[in-house]
Amino acid sequence: GIQVEQSPPDLILQEGANSTLRCNFSDSVNNLQWFHQNPWGQLINLFYIPSGTKQNGRLSATTVATERYSLLYISSSQTTDSGVYFCAVANQAGTALIFGKGTTLSVSS
Amino acid sequence: GAGVSQSPRYKVAKRGQDVALRCDPISGHVSLFWYQQALGQGPEFLTYFQNEAQLDKSGLPSDRFFAERPEGSVSTLKIQRTQQEDSAVYLCASSFYGNTEAFFGQGTRLTVV
Repeated sequence: GIQVEQSPPDLILQEGANSTLRCNFSDSVNNLQWFHQNPWGQLINLFYIPSGTKQNGRLSATTVATERYSLLYISSSQTTDSGVYFCAVANQAGTALIFGKGTTLSVSS
Repeated sequence: GAGVSQSPRYKVAKRGQDVALRCDPISGHVSLFWYQQALGQGPEFLTYFQNEAQLDKSGLPSDRFFAERPEGSVSTLKIQRTQQEDSAVYLCASSFYGNTEAFFGQGTRLTVV
């Protein structure tokens, strides 16, 4: 089945710093999503981005489907950005999202 | 409703007990997914429904796990004879159809003692 790898596994930042999170996947995909899991466990939708570039405030994402990777950019990080960021891609049948192991981000003031 | 709703939020079960976890998807969403998330791990796929049809149950870890969605809306995940290794957060997600954007509920944290 499709494999999803995220890097780095852990990231520690000072407030105000910028960061880039990477997601590599092993096969062509029709669906790719980025999520932020907050300390209460809720998965918050950040981007639905099977291809192209999107921006939402301080966050932006780019997926290069032909090269099988996606990047999540966080600019001017805040303490509220802390948590785990997951990339998930759909399997070929479209019946499941396959998650990476996540990147744990800690932002200190 | 406005989002995916799951109940209960927390469940403590004695080993060997049966449990039932409920998911109310976003109204009008055809696709419904169940996931299991162990502590410190990413969500792992359990099963997928398209309306009332269970089209993929490849992720169910054993025959003690059973899911249904009889009217194509609310879904129930049932775990029989719970074991300690079943302790996890169970997440439900729904999407309008297939590969469209999926939205997750807050999860049910199951602790088996």
